[in-house]
Amino acid sequence: EAGVTQFPSHSVIEKGQTVTLRCDPISGHDNLYWYRRVMGKEIKFLLHFVKESKQDESGMPNNRFLAERTGGTYSTLKVQPAELEDSGVYFCASSQVRARQYFGPGTRLTVT
Amino acid sequence: ELKVEQNPLFLSMQEGKNYTIYCNYSTTSDRLYWYRQDPGKSLESLFVLLSNGAVKQEGRLMASLDTKARLSTLHITAAVHDLSATYFCAVDGDNTDKLIFGTGTRLQVFP
Repeated sequence: EAGVTQFPSHSVIEKGQTVTLRCDPISGHDNLYWYRRVMGKEIKFLLHFVKESKQDESGMPNNRFLAERTGGTYSTLKVQPAELEDSGVYFCASSQVRARQYFGPGTRLTVT
Repeated sequence: ELKVEQNPLFLSMQEGKNYTIYCNYSTTSDRLYWYRQDPGKSLESLFVLLSNGAVKQEGRLMASLDTKARLSTLHITAAVHDLSATYFCAVDGDNTDKLIFGTGTRLQVFP
C-alpha cells in the first residue's frame, strides 16, 4: 500500500513568489492534515481536512496560506506571496477516523 | 497554551549504552505518540500510548506513559548506530485530532 506522498520534495523560491505544495494521502483516508517545522523548532499543526471540508484551520499563520482539497482526495497548500519566515519543512499526514496519523516525507521550502 | 516539552534536545551516546528521553505535556490528552524521523524521510510511528501506566516495547526501544505526571519516557537499551534519528513525542490537542509535538530529540549513536 502506498504511503502519503508529497511533491515537490524541495522548493527554493524568492521572497514574493508563489509556491504550491501537494499532498496525496493514503487511499481511503478521509482525514488529511498539514503541519510545518520551522528552523528546527517543534512541528506545528496548520489545518485539518475531513474529506473536502476544513475541520480545523486554527494553525494557519495568516491569509497568505491557502489550502484546498477538492474532491476529498489530494490537497494543495499555496503560499502567496512567500516570505522569508515561511521557510521550513511542510508535512502532510492522513488518517482514518481518530486514528494514528501517517506522515509524508515533507516538502522542504526555502524562501530567499 | 498546550505545550509539549522534550529533553534532551540533542543526545550523543555510545553504542551499547542506555538512555532515556523525556516528554512532558501540559494537556489532559488521552493519547501520546512517539515518532522517529530519519533525515529527509517521513515521520515513522513508533508507539501509541493510550492509558496511564501503558508500556510498549519494540526492539531496543521502550515507551511508557504516566498520565498523572503528564510524562512519557522513551528508553533506549544498548544503543546501536541504526537508532540514530530524531525522535518526536506528540499528544492530541484538547479533544481535537491535531497533534501537538515536542521539539524533537536528535539522537546520534557512535561506536
